[in-house]
Amino acid sequence: AQSVTQLDSQVPVFEEAPVELRCNYSSSVSVYLFWYVQYPNQGLQLLLKYLSGSTLVKGINGFEAEFNKSQTSFHLRKPSVHISDTAEYFCAVSDLTGGFKTIFGAGTRLFVKA
Amino acid sequence: DTAVSQTPKYLVTQMGNDKSIKCEQNLGHDTMYWYKQDSKKFLKIMFSYNNKELIINETVPNRFSPKSPDKAHLNLHINSLELGDSAVYFCASSLGTGETDTQYFGPGTRLTVL
Repeated sequence: AQSVTQLDSQVPVFEEAPVELRCNYSSSVSVYLFWYVQYPNQGLQLLLKYLSGSTLVKGINGFEAEFNKSQTSFHLRKPSVHISDTAEYFCAVSDLTGGFKTIFGAGTRLFVKA
Repeated sequence: DTAVSQTPKYLVTQMGNDKSIKCEQNLGHDTMYWYKQDSKKFLKIMFSYNNKELIINETVPNRFSPKSPDKAHLNLHINSLELGDSAVYFCASSLGTGETDTQYFGPGTRLTVL
């Protein structure tokens, strides 16, 4: 069965600084990986996803993530954050054994300070 | 046009009552989901329907009963509400049941049981 661990529950960072949100997964088969963002009082929306091919995936709002199979990681990065990036970020995983399920991590709260 | 909509947005009720939450998607998707997000932001799948057929039924009390009258609608009825049912409930949809699909989330229904 697949699982997802988001290593940081909260990440405070100053505006225009770079940020990395960490995500590790476990699965015995090939995986599909996602990052979703949840702005305050809203539903989740997709930032980016890795299905196959290039391990560096670019998403919306200047975010990117790198799939690292040997480290079983899918960390999310942005070179320069804005106040508007303050939100909850969820890493998620699915695979062919999951019975249609996508498993979400516990979330990382990114707080961007002026 | 709202892609995935839920009603009501807020629901405050007494213990023991029965309530329903409605969800509609206008994306033409085949699959719809219900998730529960607790106070710590943990997101857990409850149910999923594909073309009106139940395909995911997690370990959820049988007080919760989903109903899909057509593939654009998925409602959630909760009997005998308990304090622990207080949470934000999200509806989502995806094009197929596949593990590679992006899920589109509604704005959530905040349920408070007093």
